[in-house]
Amino acid sequence: KNEVEQSPQNLTAQEGEFITINCSYSVGISALHWLQQHPGGGIVSLFMLSSGKKKHGRLIATINIQEKHSSLHITASHPRDSAVYICAVYGWSDKLIFGTGTRLQVFP
Amino acid sequence: EAQVTQNPRYLITVTGKKLTVTCSQNMNHEYMSWYRQDPGLGLRQIYYSMNVEVTDKGDVPEGYKVSRKEKRNFPLILESPSPNQTSLYFCVTGAPDQPQHFGDGTRLSIL
Repeated sequence: KNEVEQSPQNLTAQEGEFITINCSYSVGISALHWLQQHPGGGIVSLFMLSSGKKKHGRLIATINIQEKHSSLHITASHPRDSAVYICAVYGWSDKLIFGTGTRLQVFP
Repeated sequence: EAQVTQNPRYLITVTGKKLTVTCSQNMNHEYMSWYRQDPGLGLRQIYYSMNVEVTDKGDVPEGYKVSRKEKRNFPLILESPSPNQTSLYFCVTGAPDQPQHFGDGTRLSIL
């Protein structure tokens, strides 16, 4: 079993829909990252969380440390949100552990 | 502007021909990493460096070397590339408990 599991693996939505991507992990952590990988391959950092909730524009990230779970929400989705969203956690080692990503496609 | 610059962006080469992928950052970060990304396997760490002259193996270090002679540069060296090193490579700066800054990636094909 992977230490970081994301669901769903693939997600299709219509423009304007509210989207939720989930990340569950099995290790104790001190930080969790949400990353976005564009269709061209480039990766940008969206959020880093250690507790609570963060919001940036239409994106909201939440984390529940006790339940070892984080969610990434996209409100009013748009075709330009189409990307792979990757969750990564920082736990007991000196490195990040990555999920395998959720591929999101938003259609007009 | 915060930047992580990787070169080259694309490279097609042949087995056994030594190559270097350069990485340079302007954020004065101590922690730098190299990752490879393969379909179905996600991002896997090759090597990381916590400071100048301090490097350590990640999960998949075989066939790779790195050096950290200055804080800003962290080159990835493939001394004798093989086809199983065909992949998408990322240089990343920032400690694991800090925001991560990714280079644009290097698509490497080894024939």
